[in-house]
Amino acid sequence: AQSVTQLGSHVSVSEGALVLLRCNYSSSVPPYLFWYVQYPNQGLQLLLKYTSAATLVKGINGFEAEFKKSETSFHLTKPSAHMSDAAEYFCAVSGNSGYSTLTFGKGTMLLVSP
Amino acid sequence: KAGVTQTPRYLIKTRGQQVTLSCSPISGHRSVSWYQQTPGQGLQFLFEYFSETQRNKGNFPGRFSGRQFSNSRSEMNVSTLELGDSALYLCASSMDTSNYGYTFGSGTRLTVV
Repeated sequence: AQSVTQLGSHVSVSEGALVLLRCNYSSSVPPYLFWYVQYPNQGLQLLLKYTSAATLVKGINGFEAEFKKSETSFHLTKPSAHMSDAAEYFCAVSGNSGYSTLTFGKGTMLLVSP
Repeated sequence: KAGVTQTPRYLIKTRGQQVTLSCSPISGHRSVSWYQQTPGQGLQFLFEYFSETQRNKGNFPGRFSGRQFSNSRSEMNVSTLELGDSALYLCASSMDTSNYGYTFGSGTRLTVV
């Protein structure tokens, strides 16, 4: 079984500040990990994914995430927040079986103030 | 390259009715998954279809069903609608497994009154 815990249902930052969204996972097998973003009334858009290659993964829109096996974490960061980053962010995990599905965390709403 | 297309975008139904939602995956994608998204429960997995066969199923009552056609297009059906079925229903497609990540459609917003 696999699961994801996202710490903080809401995170507030000022424009230009560091963005840090936390994700911890639980998986009985080496996981595949993903971050998705959802804008209002839209579907989910893939930001980045970890598939057991480099532990530091770079994604779109300046986001990156680091896989830390010892901490079972996959936190999402961005050096400088922009107003357009305001959205809901979801961390997801997949087992490495061909029949696995994606299990999502509860989501973190990122609020960016000017 | 066209994305994942879900129709309709919005739907209002009455309790007790049934509804069918449609999803056209990205060309070449053979796996289609369905999720229900609500403010209280978040994203919950409904089922996954691969090459016309249900490969995975979530923990939902039998009122929720789906199918996939030979062209990979998928439909999901909810019978005897309840107020609690009001949600955003998201379809996602992938080439083969979830390990590639999913591409999501914009969803169908179902409101049951």
